[in-house]
Amino acid sequence: ETGVTQTPRHLVMGMTNKKSLKCEQHLGHNAMYWYKQSAKKPLELMFVYNFKEQTENNSVPSRFSPECPNSSHLFLHLHTLQPEDSALYLCASSPRETVTEAFFGQGTRLTVV
Amino acid sequence: GQSLEQPSEVTAVEGAIVQINCTYQTSGFYGLSWYQQHDGGAPTFLSYNALDGLEETGRFSSFLSRSDSYGYLLLQELQMKDSASYFCAVTSPDGAGSYQLTFGKGTKLSVIP
Repeated sequence: ETGVTQTPRHLVMGMTNKKSLKCEQHLGHNAMYWYKQSAKKPLELMFVYNFKEQTENNSVPSRFSPECPNSSHLFLHLHTLQPEDSALYLCASSPRETVTEAFFGQGTRLTVV
Repeated sequence: GQSLEQPSEVTAVEGAIVQINCTYQTSGFYGLSWYQQHDGGAPTFLSYNALDGLEETGRFSSFLSRSDSYGYLLLQELQMKDSASYFCAVTSPDGAGSYQLTFGKGTKLSVIP
């Protein structure tokens, strides 16, 4: 248990669906991240939020839309995804002052059919 | 850009010692960290090196040489439960006044009896 909780753990969606991934942390951290983990590829940073403000986008397609209503919650809204978007989506948090240690959630295994 | 290189797979015998190397090229550097990820699990933090030298934490040690842009994770007295993927990650400035964590592709360690 890392203190970062992601829901759902598994999600199967069609290419025309709209769904949202949720991440929650109560560690008092001010920075939260979305990472994508695909087979044989590095963990890819998608979005960074510091103090609820997005500071990193990394050229993520617009079919992925993040939302950070407060420092404890982070969402990833999904719409019109492609099969190649199937992956493990990981949320992480860290103190804003440093990223010496990031705490990861268990991830959402997303399958796009 | 940022890039990290580490071997994709390593196999070692239970009770032995294994070293996982990581070389990096980044724009700016604050530190090198290591994460462990078991199949189906979340990455968990192992160690962080900001200065040159060896950091020891139980059976695990991590080394950094900033002049060589190189580090390694050393696992001693290997146990079957150490079978997992190990990621090196660099903390660097994100160009917006904050920090980012960039991961390597990971090394899959298999411990055999």
